[in-house]
Amino acid sequence: GIQVEQSPPDLILQEGANSTLRCNFSDSVNNLQWFHQNPWGQLINLFYIPSGTKQNGRLSATTVATERYSLLYISSSQTTDSGVYFCAVLSQGGSEKLVFGKGTKLTVNP
Amino acid sequence: EAGVAQSPRYKIIEKRQSVAFWCNPISGHATLYWYQQILGQGPKLLIQFQNNGVVDDSQLPKDRFSAERLKGVDSTLKIQPAKLEDSAVYLCASSLLSRTGYTFGSGTRLTVV
Repeated sequence: GIQVEQSPPDLILQEGANSTLRCNFSDSVNNLQWFHQNPWGQLINLFYIPSGTKQNGRLSATTVATERYSLLYISSSQTTDSGVYFCAVLSQGGSEKLVFGKGTKLTVNP
Repeated sequence: EAGVAQSPRYKIIEKRQSVAFWCNPISGHATLYWYQQILGQGPKLLIQFQNNGVVDDSQLPKDRFSAERLKGVDSTLKIQPAKLEDSAVYLCASSLLSRTGYTFGSGTRLTVV
């Protein structure tokens, strides 16, 4: 099946710093989403981005489908950005299901 | 629009007991998913429904787990009997189509002691 790799596994920042999270995937995909899992376990959809670039406030994402990677940018980080960021892709062929990476755990210190 | 509703939020049971989780998807969403998330890992798909039919249950431990989606709306996931390794967060998600964005519920945190 499709493999999803996220890097780095852990990231510690000071408030105000910028960061880039990476997601590599092993096969063509129909869908790619970035999620933020808050300390209470809720998965919040950040971006639905199978290709191209999107921006939402301090967050932006870029997916280069032909090169099988996606990047999530966080600018001017805040303590509320802490949590785990997951990349998930929809595999093609057969039963389409969302396959998650292992996540990047972000800690933003004041 | 209302989100995906799940209950209960937390459940603690002893091993070998049974437990059931409930999910109400976003209105009109034909596809419903149950995911299991073990601490420190990404969510793993257990079962996918399209309306009230099962599309994929290849990773569902069928000797102890069962799920149904009556009338193509609400769904229940049951574990009987539970094992210690079933301790996890059980997430329900729905989507309009499999290729559109997924919305997740708040999850049920299960602890088996």
